[in-house]
Amino acid sequence: EAGVTQFPSHSVIEKGQTVTLRCDPISGHDNLYWYRRVMGKEIKFLLHFVKESKQDESGMPNNRFLAERTGGTYSTLKVQPAELEDSGVYFCASSQFPPPTDTQYFGPGTRLTVL
Amino acid sequence: AQSVSQHNHHVILSEAASLELGCNYSYGGTVNLFWYVQYPGQHLQLLLKYFSGDPLVKGIKGFEAEFIKSKFSFNLRKPSVQWSDTAEYFCAVYGNNRLAFGKGNQVVVIP
Repeated sequence: EAGVTQFPSHSVIEKGQTVTLRCDPISGHDNLYWYRRVMGKEIKFLLHFVKESKQDESGMPNNRFLAERTGGTYSTLKVQPAELEDSGVYFCASSQFPPPTDTQYFGPGTRLTVL
Repeated sequence: AQSVSQHNHHVILSEAASLELGCNYSYGGTVNLFWYVQYPGQHLQLLLKYFSGDPLVKGIKGFEAEFIKSKFSFNLRKPSVQWSDTAEYFCAVYGNNRLAFGKGNQVVVIP
């Protein structure tokens, strides 16, 4: 069974540019989560999808961040325009059911550097 | 909102030494606790989890954790570490449809 995959693994952009991160969850997993780790800080929740619906986006930093999950399969997270403070590692996780019934399985992360 | 505290963010120890990583959480609802590990160059993976029953939980690779409700703690232990245990370890509590993580413990095991 393939795990959660994320693309790209690294992205280096300049301030003001746009970047789109992609996450492919484990097949059949309705729950998809985005998290972010800024250097030196803890991993923080950004948002949660159930199928194509946003269940909770209270962790999104501001309106420069837009997440979508069309068709309830893969998800994208777009940052437009990127700022220096957006640098960090963006993790995606998926599960068939929410905990404790199921476990969140994490992808390898996308390391975003904004110069 | 829930939160997790992890102490001793950098730990260096020799092979065969015992390891204990502290985790204290704050959450008013039903407690679901996790330890995740990230080995160098790899993704986060689950070490063990607790949501009910026996408060002493055994996970993969010889790790265990003990849930102590009165202390709001979920400390991770391994009696004898190996070089391959070099990794970053994260404690997390699930609540409000999300995991809340601690800052992590960077553990380096010297051969």
